[in-house]
Amino acid sequence: QSVLTQPPSASGTPGQRVTISCSGSSSNIGSNYVYWYQQLPGTAPKLLIYRNNQRPSGVPDRFSGSKSGTSASLAISGLRSEDEADYYCAAWDDSLSGPGVFGGGTKLTVL
Amino acid sequence: QLQLQESGPGLVKPSETLSLTCTVSGGSISSSSYYWGWIRQPPGKGLEWIGSIYYSGSTYYNPSLKSRVTISVDTSKNQFSLKLSSVTAADTAVYYCATSRFGELSRFDYWGQGTLVTVSS
Repeated sequence: QSVLTQPPSASGTPGQRVTISCSGSSSNIGSNYVYWYQQLPGTAPKLLIYRNNQRPSGVPDRFSGSKSGTSASLAISGLRSEDEADYYCAAWDDSLSGPGVFGGGTKLTVL
Repeated sequence: QLQLQESGPGLVKPSETLSLTCTVSGGSISSSSYYWGWIRQPPGKGLEWIGSIYYSGSTYYNPSLKSRVTISVDTSKNQFSLKLSSVTAADTAVYYCATSRFGELSRFDYWGQGTLVTVSS
């Protein structure tokens, strides 16, 4: 059971806007940055969003992140078939003596 | 641009020690800008942070694995390594090495391709 909670699945049709939520607590999301990763089938994860809402160079502006209190969201607009992937949120957790935590992941299906 | 490559045995027997190495190219492992980490993913499951190390040797370990994990760095070879002792079938996973920014340990900018390690007799 992950410290950060994500819905196991999400879906949308091409062109739609989809959001994926990530729920945590005051010791992780509530007091630290949130990061989002995209994992295409059979590949390593790729950084999609850092510091809650910043995009690395090369990531389309169709992807956006937001944070409010102890929850965060990833939004994908203008959904494309190539967006079908697993998405993970991550954050540091002040209550742990370890390096941080991932959400359980959300599988996005483009119908 | 940094490139990372995992190497090590793909099959480990139960109760033995899993050992993997990550070779870094395109930059120095002694850079003050990065932490070097290991993440694993059991087949069909999500990501799990194992631990991270700074070139000076400072480490952060997942509390659930801490008693079995050692991460070390070899600056002369531009490599860092993972050792996980007393493995069981539950440790079967794809193991990734990745680099995160100093001060932002959850920000993994560069990843290796991953290597599957199976624990079986």
